[in-house]
Amino acid sequence: ETGVTQSPTHLIKTRGQQVTLRCSSQSGHNTVSWYQQALGQGPQFIFQYYREEENGRGNFPPRFSGLQFPNYSSELNVNALELDDSALYLCASSLGQGYSYEQYFGPGTRLTVT
Amino acid sequence: DQQVKQNSPSLSVQEGRISILNCDYTNSMFDYFLWYKKYPAEGPTFLISISSIKDKNEDGRFTVFLNKSAKHLSLHIVPSQPGDSAVYFCAASPERNQGGKLIFGQGTELSVKP
Repeated sequence: ETGVTQSPTHLIKTRGQQVTLRCSSQSGHNTVSWYQQALGQGPQFIFQYYREEENGRGNFPPRFSGLQFPNYSSELNVNALELDDSALYLCASSLGQGYSYEQYFGPGTRLTVT
Repeated sequence: DQQVKQNSPSLSVQEGRISILNCDYTNSMFDYFLWYKKYPAEGPTFLISISSIKDKNEDGRFTVFLNKSAKHLSLHIVPSQPGDSAVYFCAASPERNQGGKLIFGQGTELSVKP
């Protein structure tokens, strides 16, 4: 059974640029959620995708967008990067639309915006 | 608006003793509660969970207690082992129809000393 993987591991971008982060869900899981974890804080929910459609969104602006593909892998896109976007971005997969509370996390992508 | 709070940023315990990690929440509509453990450079790992209809759930050395009237939950680890040293997050899930979003506390760093 393959766990959740994310790429890249680290990324440095300049303010105003755009970034795409990638996630492969755990085998058999059809739901992917994205979280932002700032230093010293707990993860904050960005949005969730279920069967290629957005299924719930947290308090993040529209410049945070995502995609889920037919194989259930997912992308997180952030436009017009700001310094405060510097954080660890975590992807989590689960089985079912809100019926499985237990989400399985990848190791994260560390994004630094300068 | 911090709906899930872990007021102790850190906790130090002697090996073999009990570790008690605490978590408070404000939303009485939360349906399900989870504890995650996070090692450096890894994503959070699911540890144990409890439904809002129960007041206790036990899994080996780990027990979670839920006091709904006080809006408080705690994680007990007995006996504590050095390998338990990590950051522990409590998380809450809103009602089932809210897309499986998890709301996390800020985390408590547990250090178990030999």
